[in-house]
Amino acid sequence: GQQVMQIPQYQHVQEGEDFTTYCNSSTTLSNIQWYKQRPGGHPVFLIQLVKSGEVKKQKRLTFQFGEAKKNSSLHITATQTTDVGTYFCAGGMGAQKLVFGQGTRLTINP
Amino acid sequence: NAGVTQTPKFQVLKTGQSMTLQCAQDMNHNSMYWYRQDPGMGLRLIYYSASEGTTDKGEVPNGYNVSRLNKREFSLRLESAAPSQTSVYFCATPGRTFYGYTFGSGTRLTVV
Repeated sequence: GQQVMQIPQYQHVQEGEDFTTYCNSSTTLSNIQWYKQRPGGHPVFLIQLVKSGEVKKQKRLTFQFGEAKKNSSLHITATQTTDVGTYFCAGGMGAQKLVFGQGTRLTINP
Repeated sequence: NAGVTQTPKFQVLKTGQSMTLQCAQDMNHNSMYWYRQDPGMGLRLIYYSASEGTTDKGEVPNGYNVSRLNKREFSLRLESAAPSQTSVYFCATPGRTFYGYTFGSGTRLTVV
């Protein structure tokens, strides 16, 4: 079936270090979305990328969509304790179909 | 406005029992979705409804049924619960700006 693979599954960093999570799809995506889920919470939408090669920034977060629209990354610069949580990518694969990656759980040592 | 409201928040069932998870949205959106979340598996689509009166299977529909009662409400029913259905269940609908999904707070279900 159609899959979106996300790595790493876990990442532990010292506060102030950078963090990156990657998503790869076996098929071309119509769009890629990113979500953040705090421990015990629900996924919260962060951003959507649609165009090939698109780069968007939200403060310390940088999101990229690959040229072939099959991969994406989220990079956090200088992590803070408020960044703790699980980050999910979700690939759009046509009408009514959004396939989620397995998520990357970020923990931070203050 | 609440966005997406799910009930109950927690539930413990015995194997073989049935229950219905409720979801209601106040955003007047046509589409609604049910996902389950298991450790290391991400979010997997159980069923979705593109509009009132229509429902379709997702990736993991076995053991579940759904009802789109009206535009606001989309319920998920477990007819005979099994331990493999222990999970966190989320209802979702497209967000207010039509980008991304708005999720409910989830139902944490344990089947013993």
